[in-house]
Amino acid sequence: DSGVTQTPKHLITATGQRVTLRCSPRSGDLSVYWYQQSLDQGLQFLIQYYNGEERAKGNILERFSAQQFPDLHSELNLSSLELGDSALYFCASSVGSRSYNSPLHFGNGTRLTVT
Amino acid sequence: QKEVEQDPGPLSVPEGAIVSLNCTYSNSAFQYFMWYRQYSRKGPELLMYTYSSGNKEDGRFTAQVDKSSKYISLFIRDSQPSDSATYLCAMSVGDSGNTPLVFGKGTRLSVIA
Repeated sequence: DSGVTQTPKHLITATGQRVTLRCSPRSGDLSVYWYQQSLDQGLQFLIQYYNGEERAKGNILERFSAQQFPDLHSELNLSSLELGDSALYFCASSVGSRSYNSPLHFGNGTRLTVT
Repeated sequence: QKEVEQDPGPLSVPEGAIVSLNCTYSNSAFQYFMWYRQYSRKGPELLMYTYSSGNKEDGRFTAQVDKSSKYISLFIRDSQPSDSATYLCAMSVGDSGNTPLVFGKGTRLSVIA
């Protein structure tokens, strides 16, 4: 068990809808990362927060947004959903702010299906 | 050309075999190299971490980095059915900014008892 909790585990919704994915990092970790995993694209970095502040941004669509709250949990909001947004969404946490020297601990993901 | 290339497999080997998993990359600035293991329906977990070129061994696992060839490998000795998983390489330039890790797409490994 990595200590990172993601809810819900599964989400099925329709095109055009909006969903919120939630992540609780490991105790003591200040960074939260969001990744999208699909068969054709692999694991794609979306966004990172460190202690409440946005730290790095990857290939995150404008329809997607995230935030990290004072208790360090994070939420990823996906809106105007399209079929192509169907994927596994992972949250990872780490102690430090730099992913190359502060190991990432991944949750078990939220599987999003857009119909 | 993608930044990180990894053969997706699947790779199927008998129990006890030596497994070789590989990634090639195009960005010569990469300095930090990692291997993550991902079991079905689980998140990736860090398996090996190396900096720059050379070898690192941890039990049955050996990670090799050849920066001159832009090629990294993970060897698994005496493979076990419990090693059946997807293995993802990841790498970073490790600069003073916060360039995120770049992952390969993963190689799916099955070890048959």
